[in-house]
Amino acid sequence: DIQMTQSPSSLSASVGDKVTITCRTSQSISNYLNWYQQKPGKAPKLLIYAVSSLQSGVPSRFSGSGSGTDFTLTIASLEPEDFATYYCQQSSITPPSLGQGTKLEIK
Amino acid sequence: QVQLQESGPGLVKPSQTLSLTCTVTGGSINSGDYYWTWIRQPPGKGLEWIGYIYYSGTTWYSPSLTSRLTISIDTSENQFSLSLSSVTAADTAVYYCARRNKIVLGRSFDFWGQGTLVTVSS
Repeated sequence: DIQMTQSPSSLSASVGDKVTITCRTSQSISNYLNWYQQKPGKAPKLLIYAVSSLQSGVPSRFSGSGSGTDFTLTIASLEPEDFATYYCQQSSITPPSLGQGTKLEIK
Repeated sequence: QVQLQESGPGLVKPSQTLSLTCTVTGGSINSGDYYWTWIRQPPGKGLEWIGYIYYSGTTWYSPSLTSRLTISIDTSENQFSLSLSSVTAADTAVYYCARRNKIVLGRSFDFWGQGTLVTVSS
């Protein structure tokens, strides 16, 4: 199985800040890395697939990068609706594994 | 627009079997383009993949659950189901059904149900 390590586990930031969340995998996964956003009481929502492709309807302030085992999710300028928990997920092999989540809170 | 909806009991007694169904609308479950997935989230914790099923009935299960788990599909009803036996309090979670792309969109989970809370308690 592939292990996922997300950092930080929590993050406080202000509206307008730029934030970066990191995801590291225990082995190379090529470009099979996806990011999800989850708000309290809601299902996760696909944000970015295949490292850097924005899902339809996702604002352009979200971006993803990386390759191999190290990946990042960047939010260029935080909006109030971006405060949520973010998960990375590898889809290279079964079982698909997810990071433990990064909770983004308002400072 | 595809929609998924979980249904089933919200309370299950320890040692009994947890059974949930996911109904898919707005698209056919009888498609070779997707894997139909169950994912759960214990209260206050992260997401855990449970397993998925292909339209043909082929299944993939989490190694930690495989001895207790059955996922089935009913293409005539456009539904797939989860059965988890011998449950304990550790199985208390919000259970989500989701659609996983087989090839496109990075093999991501692009549509999710709203989730249903299942509590294991006597």
